[in-house]
Amino acid sequence: SQTIHQWPATLVQPVGSPLSLECTVEGTSNPNLYWYRQAAGRGLQLLFYSVGIGQISSEVPQNLSASRPQDRQFILSSKKLLLSDSGFYLCAWSVNPISNSEQFFGPGTRLTVL
Amino acid sequence: QQQVKQSPQSLIVQKGGISIINCAYENTAFDYFPWYQQFPGKGPALLIAIRPDVSEKKEGRFTISFNKSAKQFSLHIMDSQPGDSATYFCAASGGGGSNYKLTFGKGTLLTVNP
Repeated sequence: SQTIHQWPATLVQPVGSPLSLECTVEGTSNPNLYWYRQAAGRGLQLLFYSVGIGQISSEVPQNLSASRPQDRQFILSSKKLLLSDSGFYLCAWSVNPISNSEQFFGPGTRLTVL
Repeated sequence: QQQVKQSPQSLIVQKGGISIINCAYENTAFDYFPWYQQFPGKGPALLIAIRPDVSEKKEGRFTISFNKSAKQFSLHIMDSQPGDSATYFCAASGGGGSNYKLTFGKGTLLTVNP
């Protein structure tokens, strides 16, 4: 069966510090991978998605970046965090190629920028 | 054109009652309509999904009703239980090259009182 991991689970960082969040998927090959951000009490905002190693598409301009160094690894980074980067970050995966669009979400990382 | 509008924003239901959450979409190319359930501090989990070739899909106490001509779909939770208290998101995808991306509604916070 497939499993998706995210770490860390929680993170408190000062403004201006760097960020690295990691997501890995087990039990599947060549998945589509996604990063979402969820602000408190808000919906899901798609930040990045990837259909393959090294292939990253950005949905919204921001000071965040994403990388996919391995087939089942997706990393979200920032060089300098802003207060507005606080939120709940969710990684998700789906089958590639698509037969349906079902996405499976990880447990999330709660980021607080102070 | 990529929006999915969800209502209500919050909903309070008594135990045993029926919870109804509605979503409307604009993009006629959408062909996959899932509902996700999210408990506090957790990632969303797929609850039930429907494709436009059927008007209704039922899984246990959860039913999706789909109206293609009105471009609307809704989630009905029968015999609502306190354990159903969560945030519910509708979503939609489809349309050729972007069919691996889900467009989410803003969510409905459901509270089921005992």
